[in-house]
Amino acid sequence: DGGITQSPKYLFRKEGQNVTLSCEQNLNHDAMYWYRQDPGQGLRLIYYSQIVNDFQKGDIAEGYSVSREKKESFPLTVTSAQKNPTAFYLCASSTYETGAGANVLTFGAGSRLTVL
Amino acid sequence: AQKITQTQPGMFVQEKEAVTLDCTYDTSDPSYGLFWYKQPSSGEMIFLIYQGSYDQQNATEGRYSLNFQKARKSANLVISASQLGDSAMYFCAMKMNAGNMLTFGGGTRLMVKP
Repeated sequence: DGGITQSPKYLFRKEGQNVTLSCEQNLNHDAMYWYRQDPGQGLRLIYYSQIVNDFQKGDIAEGYSVSREKKESFPLTVTSAQKNPTAFYLCASSTYETGAGANVLTFGAGSRLTVL
Repeated sequence: AQKITQTQPGMFVQEKEAVTLDCTYDTSDPSYGLFWYKQPSSGEMIFLIYQGSYDQQNATEGRYSLNFQKARKSANLVISASQLGDSAMYFCAMKMNAGNMLTFGGGTRLMVKP
């Protein structure tokens, strides 16, 4: 079945360490996204990519980095510069369409990062 | 900048009754899309329903319907015949004409009572 796989599901990290969250999709979607969710709050966009080898900053990109070397993969690195990295991270993908049409985002199951 | 507001942090509904979850939005762009997602306790986001700004009819998907009032800039989700499995967080989101990204509201936690 097609879908998005995020790993690891749970991750613990010491302060000062970088950590990379994996996101792989087999939906043949052009666009991929990373969102952050804090407890009891909505999702905020970190980075997005509409095509291979290109990505743009979202609303809260500071302290994060991404790459898009393959269509299927969009890993997110949480760097030591991210001041409060403990959160739930969701990866999503969609077809790429201009306009405000119904290209629905499909989400992965998420990765929960805890900084000790 | 666009903004999505969900004013109900939490709501209770009796099983088998209908419930309305509120969502208001703010944009000056005439072309936009509105989405509702469900997030169970497991964390994944499940797409429920979509409404385009130019759609004449309110969207419906099974037990879900969207009460779209464009002049009021509201896009409330109506769930009919609530089930215990409807207990979850519900998020309203908006997509603008300029990009594919969604902007999310803060969410409403719905709890269905047996």
